[in-house]
Amino acid sequence: GPKVLQIPSHQIIDMGQMVTLNCDPVSNHLYFYWYKQILGQQMEFLVNFYNGKVMEKSKLFKDQFSVERPDGSYFTLKIQPTALEDSAVYFCASSRTGWETLYFGSGTRLTVL
Amino acid sequence: GDQVEQSPSALSLHEGTGSALRCNFTTTMRAVQWFRKNSRGSLINLFYLASGTKENGRLKSAFDSKERYSTLHIRDAQLEDSGTYFCAADNTEGADRLTFGKGTQLIIQP
Repeated sequence: GPKVLQIPSHQIIDMGQMVTLNCDPVSNHLYFYWYKQILGQQMEFLVNFYNGKVMEKSKLFKDQFSVERPDGSYFTLKIQPTALEDSAVYFCASSRTGWETLYFGSGTRLTVL
Repeated sequence: GDQVEQSPSALSLHEGTGSALRCNFTTTMRAVQWFRKNSRGSLINLFYLASGTKENGRLKSAFDSKERYSTLHIRDAQLEDSGTYFCAADNTEGADRLTFGKGTQLIIQP
């Protein structure tokens, strides 16, 4: 089936540094998403993105977070600066129309020290 | 409180048997998806339903928006069916914003 690729699979950084998580969505998909899963908790919605703009974001999407997809390249989540509570697995997803199945990547495990 | 209540949290089945997983919703949902997380952590899409039932091999899912629940039935369970199963539902009018259940850890025993 369609594949969403996330790079890297693991990232360890020091608190206060910037980090960029990369997602290569399914090629003909137009809607993109980030979800966050803290260890032992449910996956939670962060943000969705369409036509170059953030459409919706949750309260978890702090001011330090930003997303973009410049010129059809990777869909990225940037955190600047990072905080200890940002440690989690971040899942990227994409869908073709926003009313169909979401396809998820395998996640990037972010550890902030 | 949680909008998606998934049960059971864990389930052990012998090969060849079957059972059902269930998600109850505290509000009206527009659509539901079911996933299986494999040993590598990948979320495998099983079903997307906006209504009714769908069947795929030994899996069958139903979604009743009005009664606020969805089920995933597994029959003739095989060892490779082991994993954690999640339902996720969407109650928004815009692009999908899924609320996930806490998952059911399914173990298939020989």
